[in-house]
Amino acid sequence: GAGVSQSPSNKVTEKGKDVELRCDPISGHTALYWYRQSLGQGLEFLIYFQGNSAPDKSGLPSDRFSAERTGGSVSTLTIQRTQQEDSAVYLCASSSRGDRAGNTGELFFGEGSRLTVL
Amino acid sequence: KQEVTQIPAALSVPEGENLVLNCSFTDSAIYNLQWFRQDPGKGLTSLLLIQSSQREQTSGRLNASLDKSSGRSTLYIAASQPGDSATYLCAVGNIRGRGSTLGRLYFGRGTQLTVWP
Repeated sequence: GAGVSQSPSNKVTEKGKDVELRCDPISGHTALYWYRQSLGQGLEFLIYFQGNSAPDKSGLPSDRFSAERTGGSVSTLTIQRTQQEDSAVYLCASSSRGDRAGNTGELFFGEGSRLTVL
Repeated sequence: KQEVTQIPAALSVPEGENLVLNCSFTDSAIYNLQWFRQDPGKGLTSLLLIQSSQREQTSGRLNASLDKSSGRSTLYIAASQPGDSATYLCAVGNIRGRGSTLGRLYFGRGTQLTVWP
């Protein structure tokens, strides 16, 4: 597509429910990134995919968070048993490169998915 | 650990002024530095990417410079307009080393810019 697409744009859920957030990167971009932005906070790195694999999952805040990427394209971020502190905007980005040495290239972000946990 | 600081945190100027936003980082072992703008309730829009071997990049009224050895970057906005009002973020990509997370960009907290007519 022309840009990074994220869905849903807004999600309100009850504490304890599971949620799935979807990211469709720019066509042909091999690298995909998830960040979280909480109110008044900076951007928090969650996870990075190169192709379908995530070399380092240490950025995920707890084991309730998981992410996968299939076909080298769409990625899903799943939050199980949501808590109120999970409320944030979840941002996805993609880039045309991303190598094992750490060069990310230029990142292009989506509009984000705003998650509110009641 | 890489730390990115942006000064000032907020800036309010009249239309037409030339202005400079500052970004500093503690670890000079970077691949690149990227400037973004974020409008309220929106995602990040890439403005400029500077590779570590470059000194500056220009796009329209924007010019970004990079002094890797001193850990500094500046974003220069010429002839500011009300449409430039947004939060400006800088981010650096580290050369992978001990303790660094692959694929991570290190972001500053941003400078909130208001340009009034």
